[in-house]
Amino acid sequence: KQEVTQIPAALSVPEGENLVLNCSFTDSAIYNLQWFRQDPGKGLTSLLLIQSSQREQTSGRLNASLDKSSGRSTLYIAASQPGDSATYLCAAYSGSRLTFGEGTQLTVNP
Amino acid sequence: NAGVTQTPKFQVLKTGQSMTLQCAQDMNHNSMYWYRQDPGMGLRLIYYSASEGTTDKGEVPNGYNVSRLNKREFSLRLESAAPSQTSVYFCASSEAGGQGSNEQFFGPGTRLTVL
Repeated sequence: KQEVTQIPAALSVPEGENLVLNCSFTDSAIYNLQWFRQDPGKGLTSLLLIQSSQREQTSGRLNASLDKSSGRSTLYIAASQPGDSATYLCAAYSGSRLTFGEGTQLTVNP
Repeated sequence: NAGVTQTPKFQVLKTGQSMTLQCAQDMNHNSMYWYRQDPGMGLRLIYYSASEGTTDKGEVPNGYNVSRLNKREFSLRLESAAPSQTSVYFCASSEAGGQGSNEQFFGPGTRLTVL
């Protein structure tokens, strides 16, 4: 059974800092890995999808990497802004379903 | 293009009452999903529909039923609500299940409280 872990559970940084969020998964036989953002009381917004054959994906200030052999993905946020404050979730797609981590709650302080 | 829509946004039920959560997508996606989100448990899959006419159980299907009404709509029914079903429910859709891009897009959620 796939298990997804995200460390740290919470992170507080000053504005402008570059930061890395970590995601690990136990079953390396994944089709893809997806990163989401969730604002309080809202739904999930898809940020990046990395296919199993890819190493990384980039969108603006976000860069996600995938290392299937070690069961890890990282989300890099460059030049963080207060508007980046949210919970970030990673989810690994294997079998016929997505398995989610519990998320990293990010606070970017002005 | 509204994406994935869910109704209602909020609902309060008494134990034993029934209700149906509605979900619709306008992206012509084949696959649709129902999740629940609980503190400390993350998001868990309740049921999914890989294509029109098919439904399958996810991780936590007990106490729920689903109907894939057509390609656009996928409903979740609670026949006899229990306090343990207090949660936030999310519907999602993707172009396809299985291998492939399978990027999932989520609705805004339904916040359900069972008293």
